[in-house]
Amino acid sequence: ETGVTQSPTHLIKTRGQQVTLRCSSQSGHNTVSWYQQALGQGPQFIFQYYREEENGRGNFPPRFSGLQFPNYSSELNVNALELDDSALYLCASTPTGHNYGYTFGSGTRLTVV
Amino acid sequence: KNEVEQSPQNLTAQEGEFITINCSYSVGISALHWLQQHPGGGIVSLFMLSSGKKKHGRLIATINIQEKHSSLHITASHPRDSAVYICAVLAGNQFYFGTGTSLTVIP
Repeated sequence: ETGVTQSPTHLIKTRGQQVTLRCSSQSGHNTVSWYQQALGQGPQFIFQYYREEENGRGNFPPRFSGLQFPNYSSELNVNALELDDSALYLCASTPTGHNYGYTFGSGTRLTVV
Repeated sequence: KNEVEQSPQNLTAQEGEFITINCSYSVGISALHWLQQHPGGGIVSLFMLSSGKKKHGRLIATINIQEKHSSLHITASHPRDSAVYICAVLAGNQFYFGTGTSLTVIP
């Protein structure tokens, strides 16, 4: 059983729409990372948030943005959805000061049609 | 260029067989995770390693920091072990993932 909860579990959106995915981490997990896993591929790093500030970003365009809140929850927002955005989106969090004690969420499966 | 390489990509085994999945990486890491992903499902972290060896039930994971290599072993494999196993290394503030090993255990 994971201490990181993602919602929704599945989502279907139309090309051009905007989507918000949510991740609720364990208390004390001030660092959260988001990953995109396209079908048949390994996850790719989108960005990381630490204490509500972006703390690193992968090779994703600005229409991928995030927010982190004081209650250890976070959001991934994707604007102007494209068909290639269809993927499993994962979040992983860790307590402050730990660089390895990550817990992964079960993911949100996004389908863009 | 892949920072993390896994082998084999696909593996089919008979129930009860001993299974080994290998992972090699090229970056300096602070930790390595072995992850399990069932079809359509999310990811579960099986092990987090920074040195040595860990055992949990029928699963054993080892890491050799000097050789930048890790192995995941499954003893007495069972059909419920069928899943994709992913090696993920933590370098800096991000993970680098292997493309996974798809394991099918046949009854």
